[in-house]
Amino acid sequence: SQQGEEDPQALSIQEGENATMNCSYKTSINNLQWYRQNSGRGLVHLILIRSNEREKHSGRLRVTLDTSKKSSSLLITASRAADTASYFCARHTGANSKLTFGKGITLSVRP
Amino acid sequence: DVKVTQSSRYLVKRTGEKVFLECVQDMDHENMFWYRQDPGLGLRLIYFSYDVKMKEKGDIPEGYSVSREKKERFSLILESASTNQTSMYLCASSFLQGVLWNTEAFFGQGTRLTVV
Repeated sequence: SQQGEEDPQALSIQEGENATMNCSYKTSINNLQWYRQNSGRGLVHLILIRSNEREKHSGRLRVTLDTSKKSSSLLITASRAADTASYFCARHTGANSKLTFGKGITLSVRP
Repeated sequence: DVKVTQSSRYLVKRTGEKVFLECVQDMDHENMFWYRQDPGLGLRLIYFSYDVKMKEKGDIPEGYSVSREKKERFSLILESASTNQTSMYLCASSFLQGVLWNTEAFFGQGTRLTVV
């Protein structure tokens, strides 16, 4: 499978804490993206980091990319109950736009 | 706002039927994708297309075909539906700014297909 691996599979934290989610992949990438999915709905894009970037921020989100280790992490700071959702990393690979996803991480933020 | 519209939210079909899932996007995106989502398996890519009439197999194309006759529309076809194709199907599209500069994907709300 060309899917990457996300860990942990599930994460439960208290509101206000930080949540760190990790993604590893196997093949070289053009960019790596993180998405969020609320229960039973479509995915929403959160942040994209290109292969020549190492870190990116967007509001309470911080994503890092280490191409030498083929891994990325997503940090959500000061989490809120509304952050409860599934989070997926996705990779664009090759010259033909292929976009593959991992299995996802279930984040629960307790009020 | 980008809109990706899937023709049905819920669909129930019989085994052996030919099933068409339609997806339309309104942002002139080059790339379009079909995924299926199953519990514990994440999103798995079935087929994708980077231009009209162009299609590429994803990771699980068996039992499926696709059609892209117009830029805005990408159809997923189950030639002979089987119970193991019961799943949530998600369509997505994205802008291609150059071979190495794909952008974020926008998703439809999904079609929950049940094959009985």
